[in-house]
Amino acid sequence: DGGITQSPKYLFRKEGQNVTLSCEQNLNHDAMYWYRQDPGQGLRLIYYSQIVNDFQKGDIAEGYSVSREKKESFPLTVTSAQKNPTAFYLCASSIVLAKSTDTQYFGPGTRLTVL
Amino acid sequence: AQKVTQAQTEISVVEKEDVTLDCVYETRDTTYYLFWYKQPPSGELVFLIRRNSFDEQNEISGRYSWNFQKSTSSFNFTITASQVVDSAVYFCALRSVNTGKLIFGQGTTLQVKP
Repeated sequence: DGGITQSPKYLFRKEGQNVTLSCEQNLNHDAMYWYRQDPGQGLRLIYYSQIVNDFQKGDIAEGYSVSREKKESFPLTVTSAQKNPTAFYLCASSIVLAKSTDTQYFGPGTRLTVL
Repeated sequence: AQKVTQAQTEISVVEKEDVTLDCVYETRDTTYYLFWYKQPPSGELVFLIRRNSFDEQNEISGRYSWNFQKSTSSFNFTITASQVVDSAVYFCALRSVNTGKLIFGQGTTLQVKP
């Protein structure tokens, strides 16, 4: 089955700790994205990547970091510098970023709670 | 500036009623794409439809239909004969050719009661 997997589904973290959220896709998509969703709000773009070893900041990148060492994987690290990290995090992928006809497909999400 | 507005925060209907979710967008681009996604309680966003700015034909897929009107910058979504399984948050989104970014509306929470 082709798709996007995110793990874990629920994550708890103590203040001051870094935590890494996993995102894997087997759709052979070039582009991958991380979004943050807060209650009652739409999605906001954190980072995106068009190809391996390349990524760009989105609208709310402060306090986050990413890597793209493999086409299939795009992990997101929430650092201690992120002041309000409790949120629902969604990973997405699409065929090619440059062509706007591509559609983004989403994973099941990770709910991060900072204690 | 690009913006998507979903003015209806929450809608509650009784099963079998028809319901329309409104979406109004702002963009200066002549070429752009519009999307609708469904987010059930499980959290995953499910892609429903994509429309490009040159195609104003309405689309019907089963109980779902979409009305794209460029003159009013609207891309409304209608569910006919709603079912409990339609209960979810629905997002409208705009993708600019120039920036490539996907801009989401705030979402509309639809509750369908039995």
